[in-house]
Amino acid sequence: AQTVTQSQPEMSVQEAETVTLSCTYDTSESDYYLFWYKQPPSRQMILVIRQEAYKQQNATENRFSVNFQKAAKSFSLKISDSQLGDAAMYFCAYSYMNNNAGNMLTFGGGTRLMVKP
Amino acid sequence: DAGITQSPRHKVTETGTPVTLRCHQTENHRYMYWYRQDPGHGLRLIHYSYGVKDTDKGEVSDGYSVSRSKTEDFLLTLESATSSQTSVYFCAISDEGGGVYNEQFFGPGTRLTVL
Repeated sequence: AQTVTQSQPEMSVQEAETVTLSCTYDTSESDYYLFWYKQPPSRQMILVIRQEAYKQQNATENRFSVNFQKAAKSFSLKISDSQLGDAAMYFCAYSYMNNNAGNMLTFGGGTRLMVKP
Repeated sequence: DAGITQSPRHKVTETGTPVTLRCHQTENHRYMYWYRQDPGHGLRLIHYSYGVKDTDKGEVSDGYSVSRSKTEDFLLTLESATSSQTSVYFCAISDEGGGVYNEQFFGPGTRLTVL
């Protein structure tokens, strides 16, 4: 079974600084996808960034980027120029293609990010 | 935003009572999912559906049943609610065609408290 581990329950960062959230996963699949979701206090789940396992190039979306280390099964999220609006729970998730279940997601336990003004 | 609604948004019930949560989508997506969110566990899959009347169990399915009689509706039922089922429940949808790259879109969540 696939597992996703986020070892940092809480992180804090000063506004305008950079922070990195860690995620490791375990899988025997070779073709899969990884995601970072943001959950603000409103509880809405928002996709931040995604990475295809077959791509060596790390994904980037504006201030958000990932460091994907396939051999180490590591997928960290870097947030640059942190803003107050970045404060939220962040979930790392793994997905592989299941014929019946579509893109079934397995989530990590989450990291609560606090941004200090 | 994807058209997903959940009802009710909040519910308080007593142990032993039946509870049904409803997820409704207007996107005509094939796949629908029910997750529960608990502190320290992230979201865990309860059941999913890959078509009308086609459902299967997820990671934490004990004590839950589901039904999908129409493409747009996916119901989650707690036959006899227990305090351990106090949680926030999310519905999600995704479509086919893009394979595993397809994004899952989440509903707003339902907070259920079982006293």
